[in-house]
Amino acid sequence: TQLLKQSPQFLSIQEGENLTVYCNSSSVFSSLQWYRQEPGEGPVLLVTVVTGGEVKKLKRLTFQFGDARKDSSLHITAAQPGDTGLYLCAGLGGYNKFYFGSGTKLNVKP
Amino acid sequence: KAGVTQTPRYLIKTRGQQVTLSCSPISGHRSVSWYQQTPGQGLQFLFEYFSETQRNKGNFPGRFSGRQFSNSRSEMNVSTLELGDSALYLCASSPGTGGRHEKLFFGSGTQLSVL
Repeated sequence: TQLLKQSPQFLSIQEGENLTVYCNSSSVFSSLQWYRQEPGEGPVLLVTVVTGGEVKKLKRLTFQFGDARKDSSLHITAAQPGDTGLYLCAGLGGYNKFYFGSGTKLNVKP
Repeated sequence: KAGVTQTPRYLIKTRGQQVTLSCSPISGHRSVSWYQQTPGQGLQFLFEYFSETQRNKGNFPGRFSGRQFSNSRSEMNVSTLELGDSALYLCASSPGTGGRHEKLFFGSGTQLSVL
């Protein structure tokens, strides 16, 4: 079983602060994806990282894939209330199967 | 391109009943996956269908079943509903061709409440 652990589970910060969410596993993944989900809606894909050590930037969001392709991090600079939501990481394993982390619930207060 | 469509959006059932949920994937996508999401357990994988065949299966009891039609639309059925089946059921479509760039596109989900 390929398990992905996310930390922290909950995060409540003020607008303008920086934060980092971690996604760790003992298994190797072909790629790793990050999704954001708002209440009552389905997750929306933010980014896919496929190469060990890869760093991708999406405006104020920076995603990194670990060198060994077992872990990833999401860093948000100067968080805004619009960043509020549930952040999920998902690793792509064998047989085209995705493994989801438990999620990080982020609340950014104005 | 139209997104992933799930119907119905909300459903209220009583224990012992059965329910069928529907999912229409993005045009051209051949893979449909189903997930159960609850506050306590997070996103749990139910099964994946590709070209009308179940390709992957999660650890759910036989009360949970699914199928996929030739147009890639999929249905999920839950028989003999239990209170613990109350959850948001999400459908995700993807091209299904595999490879590291495979991506999931989710519908808005069906919120099932079992009373």
